[in-house]
Amino acid sequence: DAMVIQNPRYQVTQFGKPVTLSCSQTLNHNVMYWYQQKSSQAPKLLFHYYDKDFNNEADTPDNFQSRRPNTSFCFLDIRSPGLGDAAMYLCATSRDRWGGADTQYFGPGTRLTVL
Amino acid sequence: GDSVTQMEGPVTLSEEAFLTINCTYTATGYPSLFWYVQYPGEGLQLLLKATKADDKGSNKGFEATYRKETTSFHLEKGSVQVSDSAVYFCARPLGAGTALIFGKGTTLSVSS
Repeated sequence: DAMVIQNPRYQVTQFGKPVTLSCSQTLNHNVMYWYQQKSSQAPKLLFHYYDKDFNNEADTPDNFQSRRPNTSFCFLDIRSPGLGDAAMYLCATSRDRWGGADTQYFGPGTRLTVL
Repeated sequence: GDSVTQMEGPVTLSEEAFLTINCTYTATGYPSLFWYVQYPGEGLQLLLKATKADDKGSNKGFEATYRKETTSFHLEKGSVQVSDSAVYFCARPLGAGTALIFGKGTTLSVSS
């Protein structure tokens, strides 16, 4: 089945220790998104890729970076995690970038704990 | 700016009760509107959507009608089940793109 896969599902890291979260998709979609969802809050967009074109949200901290080496994979790097970065990180894809009517397909999320 | 306002939860209902979760939006123009559902421990799934004014989205017994007069997209279900217990998010695109902005989410708990 075509899907969005996130690994790992649960990640524990130490304060200040870099961590990388992984997302892959078999939908062959052009756009991949990373959202941060803190406990009992709405998902908040961090950035997205349209093909290789990276688009950062204005209020995304510099501590968060992303890489998309090919269509299928996208990575979220947190260079120096702080306690406030503990959250669920959701990867999503959509076929296109504009128009607004496209459905987004979400992975199951990676829950990050920072000790 | 673009925003989505959703009724605060939690909503607690008995099985077979009627459900309404309110959602309103601000926008210039007529954006597509979505309801996503998040079951415990899982990512978000699209529940239904409407792409233009007066459209009705429906899925799994849930319905929502895009009402431009009241800038609303309320979610309804005539008879909820225990399996409907989840968090429901109203969403709209951010600007002209496909990235989404979400309401704060409404937790629904259905008991038998």
